[in-house]
Amino acid sequence: NSKVIQTPRYLVKGQGQKAKMRCIPEKGHPVVFWYQQNKNNEFKFLINFQNQEVLQQIDMTEKRFSAECPSNSPCSLEIQSSEAGDSALYLCASSLRGTNERLFFGHGTKLSVL
Amino acid sequence: GDSVTQTEGQVTVSESKSLIINCTYSATSIGYPNLFWYVRYPGEGLQLLLKVITAGQKGSSRGFEATYNKEATSFHLQKASVQESDSAVYYCALTPTGGYKVVFGSGTRLLVSP
Repeated sequence: NSKVIQTPRYLVKGQGQKAKMRCIPEKGHPVVFWYQQNKNNEFKFLINFQNQEVLQQIDMTEKRFSAECPSNSPCSLEIQSSEAGDSALYLCASSLRGTNERLFFGHGTKLSVL
Repeated sequence: GDSVTQTEGQVTVSESKSLIINCTYSATSIGYPNLFWYVRYPGEGLQLLLKVITAGQKGSSRGFEATYNKEATSFHLQKASVQESDSAVYYCALTPTGGYKVVFGSGTRLLVSP
């Protein structure tokens, strides 16, 4: 069973509010991914890290999304000013050696922006 | 870009009957991608069901099988006899050669009726 811990499980925010979610990857996993899964079950890759370094990320031109994976602290994903379209399930996953290995997923944080 | 297509949003099968869930992919990078099936059981996080990294090979787990068909660019999931406990959402996915992210299909919900 996966031991990727995501908090909170549910997050409700008003439009314009900041939304922050956290992820503790499986112990010993240096690679961490964030995905957004919308109501149509479609996955959107957001960003991934190896240790504290960003490997790849979408073009966050809106600058509303930011993420980090500091050493000895949970990884986090933050939306500076939430919009209704941000309502989705945010999934964190970790792996031992990257995408050729299995990903271990958390339960996700379900964000609702009212 | 790379993509994964699952044509059925939901499949209903009677217990003990056979199952096939379709998956086709498109990979634009040089070389053959790695292919995966992930599953989300009710109330649980997404977890790996099986993976195949070599074209022409078959992967199997928990009675499910999938064959990497590079000519047809398909990776259909099959099971000879389903059980109620197989009711879940199944996601086909790929990682491109040398890529940093996993590309998911939109999922197929399997309902097994008693």
